[in-house]
Amino acid sequence: AQTVTQSQPEMSVQEAETVTLSCTYDTSENNYYLFWYKQPPSRQMILVIRQEAYKQQNATENRFSVNFQKAAKSFSLKISDSQLGDTAMYFCAFMKPWTGTASKLTFGTGTRLQVTL
Amino acid sequence: SQTIHQWPATLVQPVGSPLSLECTVEGTSNPNLYWYRQAAGRGLQLLFYSVGIGQISSEVPQNLSASRPQDRQFILSSKKLLLSDSGFYLCAWSGYVGSNYEQYFGPGTRLTVT
Repeated sequence: AQTVTQSQPEMSVQEAETVTLSCTYDTSENNYYLFWYKQPPSRQMILVIRQEAYKQQNATENRFSVNFQKAAKSFSLKISDSQLGDTAMYFCAFMKPWTGTASKLTFGTGTRLQVTL
Repeated sequence: SQTIHQWPATLVQPVGSPLSLECTVEGTSNPNLYWYRQAAGRGLQLLFYSVGIGQISSEVPQNLSASRPQDRQFILSSKKLLLSDSGFYLCAWSGYVGSNYEQYFGPGTRLTVT
């Protein structure tokens, strides 16, 4: 079974600064997907960024980027130029590739990020 | 584009009453569908998933059940609610968006059992 660990329950960053959220996972699979989801106070789960394990290039979406280290099973999220609207709970998640049956997400316990003025 | 709807958004029900939460997906066909529960300040727990009409898999033994009467409709039910059923319930669908296989969530239902 896969496990996902987020070791930082809470983090704080000043507006316009950069912050990195950590995530490690454990799996015996070679091909898989990794995701970061954002859950603001509205509690809507929003997909922030995805990474396919077979791709060596780190994914980037505007101010969000990841540092994917497959051998170390590490998948950190970097938020650049932090904005007040980035304040949210961030969840790291693992998914095995779709093989004709449902692909279930395994979530970490989340990191609560507070962006301050 | 794909959208996912859940209703109601908020629900307060007494212990012992029945429950029905509905989820519908638009803009995709034959999606995999999921029900998650999130307790306050906690992560997400997968409750049920479905790969097709009438096909339901349960992840956790509990007081709840799920059904999929139509391709893009997923229902979470209970005959008699318990206090421990309180929480935030999220429906999700997964499938290919372009070349990417992803999972997207609905807006959620906040259930309070009193």
